[in-house]
Amino acid sequence: NAGVTQTPKFRILKIGQSMTLQCTQDMNHNYMYWYRQDPGMGLKLIYYSVGAGITDKGEVPNGYNVSRSTTEDFPLRLELAAPSQTSVYFCASSYGDSWGSPLHFGNGTRLTVT
Amino acid sequence: KNEVEQSPQNLTAQEGEFITINCSYSVGISALHWLQQHPGGGIVSLFMLSSGKKKHGRLIATINIQEKHSSLHITASHPRDSAVYICAAWALLTSGTYKYIFGTGTRLKVLA
Repeated sequence: NAGVTQTPKFRILKIGQSMTLQCTQDMNHNYMYWYRQDPGMGLKLIYYSVGAGITDKGEVPNGYNVSRSTTEDFPLRLELAAPSQTSVYFCASSYGDSWGSPLHFGNGTRLTVT
Repeated sequence: KNEVEQSPQNLTAQEGEFITINCSYSVGISALHWLQQHPGGGIVSLFMLSSGKKKHGRLIATINIQEKHSSLHITASHPRDSAVYICAAWALLTSGTYKYIFGTGTRLKVLA
């Protein structure tokens, strides 16, 4: 059981470049999330999805886009990368019921924009 | 003021010590999670609790719903416990939906 698989682990982008962070889960979770973690800060929600075909903005969505064409996959697209997007990105998934089922995280992507 | 506050931010302990990490929240929740983030960066879920106490090995998590407070205890701490511990509230929003709200984490270092 792979859980949440996130790629790549590291990436360096030049300002203005674009890239897609991949995330896939094999637990049939409805809810999927993208978070960013800046040094000394808590996890900030970028986008989330409650099921295939449904996405919604989180706290810090500017500069990012997502899609959810299948239950398993939830890619995060960075358009026109900026230094402010230098961060560690985590994909996560859960059943999302009202009782708060456990969160499962990918291993993270360390992104540097220079 | 953050809706989920953790204390202390940093903690250094000697091997064998009893450790307590605190989490206070100001929102309505249906569950509270404790997460562990190792120096390599991976995040794993330790506990999810909505009342009382849970125990797993040397780790104990408690929650007091009335006081909006949770604690994570580590008994007989070991250097391998060195990590960042994060509490996350599964919070009910005014819209009727739920979201995770994270504390900023407690960085624990256990010295041999």
